[in-house]
Amino acid sequence: EAGVVQSPRYKIIEKKQPVAFWCNPISGHNTLYWYLQNLGQGPELLIRYENEEAVDDSQLPKDRFSAERLKGVDSTLKIQPAELGDSAVYLCASSLDSSRPGEQYFGPGTRLTVT
Amino acid sequence: AQSVTQPDIHITVSEGASLELRCNYSYGATPYLFWYVQSPGQGLQLLLKYFSGDTLVQGIKGFEAEFKRSQSSFNLRKPSVHWSDAAEYFCAVGTMKTSYDKVIFGPGTSLSVIP
Repeated sequence: EAGVVQSPRYKIIEKKQPVAFWCNPISGHNTLYWYLQNLGQGPELLIRYENEEAVDDSQLPKDRFSAERLKGVDSTLKIQPAELGDSAVYLCASSLDSSRPGEQYFGPGTRLTVT
Repeated sequence: AQSVTQPDIHITVSEGASLELRCNYSYGATPYLFWYVQSPGQGLQLLLKYFSGDTLVQGIKGFEAEFKRSQSSFNLRKPSVHWSDAAEYFCAVGTMKTSYDKVIFGPGTSLSVIP
């Protein structure tokens, strides 16, 4: 069974430029998460999808961040414009459904560097 | 609001020695508790989970954890550490917020293993 796929693995951009991250969850997993992980810290939830519906986006900085999950499968997270403080690892995770909280499968992440 | 603390930022143990990583949580009700491991450049992998029942939980890779309600703790243990166990370990607490789960991760403990 393939795991959660993320691309790109690494991205370097200049500040004020846009950037997008892509995630393909495990087949059949209805719930998809985007996390932000700063160096030396645990992941922090940005947004959670149940199928194509964003059910928790309270921590997503909506002035510059946006996300979508068309057809309830793949998802894209976008930052426009990027700031220096956005440099971090962006993790995508999926779970079968919401009945088993915390049983999430993580992708390898996208390491973003903003210069 | 729930929170997770991991008192040890970094721990070094010799290969073959026993290991205990500490985790304390704050939550008003019975939480769901998890330990995840993150190897360099990789996503997080679930080691074990506690939902209810037996307070001693067995996980993958020879790890176990014990839930102690009186101490609000969920410490991770392994009787004999292998060099491949060197990684970042995250404790997490989950809750059921309305109809979906919310998982909060601790800051992590970095484990180094001396040959």
